[in-house]
Amino acid sequence: RKEVEQDPGPFNVPEGATVAFNCTYSNSASQSFFWYRQDCRKEPKLLMSVYSSGNEDGRFTAQLNRASQYISLLIRDSKLSDSATYLCVVAGYSSASKIIFGSGTRLSIRP
Amino acid sequence: DADVTQTPRNRITKTGKRIMLECSQTKGHDRMYWYRQDPGLGLRLIYYSFDVKDINKGEISDGYSVSRQAQAKFSLSLESAIPNQTALYFCATSDSTDSGQFFGPGTRLTVL
Repeated sequence: RKEVEQDPGPFNVPEGATVAFNCTYSNSASQSFFWYRQDCRKEPKLLMSVYSSGNEDGRFTAQLNRASQYISLLIRDSKLSDSATYLCVVAGYSSASKIIFGSGTRLSIRP
Repeated sequence: DADVTQTPRNRITKTGKRIMLECSQTKGHDRMYWYRQDPGLGLRLIYYSFDVKDINKGEISDGYSVSRQAQAKFSLSLESAIPNQTALYFCATSDSTDSGQFFGPGTRLTVL
């Protein structure tokens, strides 16, 4: 089993739709969680951190479920510009070798 | 100006050649990382450094070496390049594990 697993997609949804991705992780000692966005052939960019209490940034909401060991990303009112690959990242405590990137979920928004 | 820069952006080289990829940052972060990205495999950590005197191997360090010349500079070397090192290489920085990372624009390396 991979340490961090994501559905690779692609998710193809119409503009204005709500879309959600999950990411599961295997190490229960994981401490920090993030979502990154990566456009084709570009660098990953930090989208948001994921806190135990959940967090929201505009149209984006991230949740953490420690009991079931997954994090989620919800995008509301999707825009064409949201088309990208979304990477989930799980980190242990203080050790860079425990930073694990998921392979990413591809999202395509159609007009 | 970009906070994290990488040079070169693209490089084509031949098997057996020594290659150096350079990374500079103006974010003032102590922590720097080198990753490679291959299609379908996600990013994999090659080396990381928490400060100038600290170098650590990551998941896939074989065939690579690094040098942390200053807080702002972290270079990656391929001593004798081989074709399966063809990949997209990213440098990243952070000020802690909890804060997320900032990536450079990447170097696309092709080894023939």
